[in-house]
Amino acid sequence: AQKVTQAQTEISVVEKEDVTLDCVYETRDTTYYLFWYKQPPSGELVFLIRRNSFDEQNEISGRYSWNFQKSTSSFNFTITASQVVDSAVYFCALSEELIQGAQKLVFGQGTRLTINP
Amino acid sequence: DAGITQSPRYKITETGRQVTLMCHQTWSHSYMFWYRQDLGHGLRLIYYSAAADITDKGEVPDGYVVSRSKTENFPLTLESATRSQTSVYFCASRLDPAYEQYFGPGTRLTVT
Repeated sequence: AQKVTQAQTEISVVEKEDVTLDCVYETRDTTYYLFWYKQPPSGELVFLIRRNSFDEQNEISGRYSWNFQKSTSSFNFTITASQVVDSAVYFCALSEELIQGAQKLVFGQGTRLTINP
Repeated sequence: DAGITQSPRYKITETGRQVTLMCHQTWSHSYMFWYRQDLGHGLRLIYYSAAADITDKGEVPDGYVVSRSKTENFPLTLESATRSQTSVYFCASRLDPAYEQYFGPGTRLTVT
């Protein structure tokens, strides 16, 4: 079965520091998708990124960057120059095939990130 | 553009009562999902639907019933609520398996 491990339960840093959230996954599928979601204190789940298993290029979006390494089954997320507004729980997720062509998401346990002013 | 909405946002009910959580999306996405979020368990899939009138069980379906008579609606019913069903429930939708899943704002359900 698919599995996602986010070993860091909680991280606390001071504003402007860089921080990396780790994500390691297990899958037997040859084609799969990886995701990161943000859950701020307000509770909603905000989509951040989707990565296809065939695309190992790193991606940068403003202060956010993602490092996908198939060889180590990792999909790590880095926030550069962190800000207080980045405080949230971050979830890494992996797609899993269901019947009828659907795919569910298998979530890691989440990493609670606190950015202190 | 409303996207995906859930109602009610908060609900308190008593053990044994039936309660229905509503989910509505305006994108005409084929796929819809119900997850529950609990401390220590992350998000777990309850039921999903690939299209109107096509539904199937996820990881934790016991005690829940779903229906999907229209593409845009995917209600989740707790037939006889139990305290173990106290949780935050998220509805999600997706256009296609290759695309990202978008989540509703969640419903916080407390069963007393």
